[in-house]
Amino acid sequence: RKEVEQDPGPFNVPEGATVAFNCTYSNSASQSFFWYRQDCRKEPKLLMSVYSSGNEDGRFTAQLNRASQYISLLIRDSKLSDSATYLCVVTGDSSYKLIFGSGTRLLVRP
Amino acid sequence: DADVTQTPRNRITKTGKRIMLECSQTKGHDRMYWYRQDPGLGLRLIYYSFDVKDINKGEISDGYSVSRQAQAKFSLSLESAIPNQTALYFCATSDRGQGAGETQYFGPGTRLLVL
Repeated sequence: RKEVEQDPGPFNVPEGATVAFNCTYSNSASQSFFWYRQDCRKEPKLLMSVYSSGNEDGRFTAQLNRASQYISLLIRDSKLSDSATYLCVVTGDSSYKLIFGSGTRLLVRP
Repeated sequence: DADVTQTPRNRITKTGKRIMLECSQTKGHDRMYWYRQDPGLGLRLIYYSFDVKDINKGEISDGYSVSRQAQAKFSLSLESAIPNQTALYFCATSDRGQGAGETQYFGPGTRLLVL
């Protein structure tokens, strides 16, 4: 079983749609959680950290459910520029060890 | 200028050749990492370093070696390249002391093809 599992997609949505991605992780000791964004053939970049209380950054909302070991990302009012792969990332046995999911691909069409 | 740079950006080599990938950073971070990314797989950690004298193996270090020449430079070597080392390689940095969950900053990647 992978340590971090994501639906690879692609999720193909029209502009303006709301789309949600989920991710599950296997290590109950993980302490920190993130969503990174990766454009095609580019480096991953931090999109947002995920906090237990849930957090929002503009059109993006992240939620964490520690009991179910589940992380989500909600994107509202999708833009063409949101087209990318979204990587779910959790820390391993140390804060500097990041465990990456294989990513969920999002395509936003006009 | 980019904070984390990698050279070369693309490289084609032959089986058995030695190759070095280089990473430099201007962020002043202590911690540096090398990852590889393969299609359908998440990024996997090859080696990491917390300072010039501290080098650690990651999840998939076999067939690789590293050198931390200075705080700002961390190079990855493939002593004898093999085709299954064909991948996209990323260098990353992070700053010690951020508390839980250090943000890592990635270089633009090196696309390596081993024939």
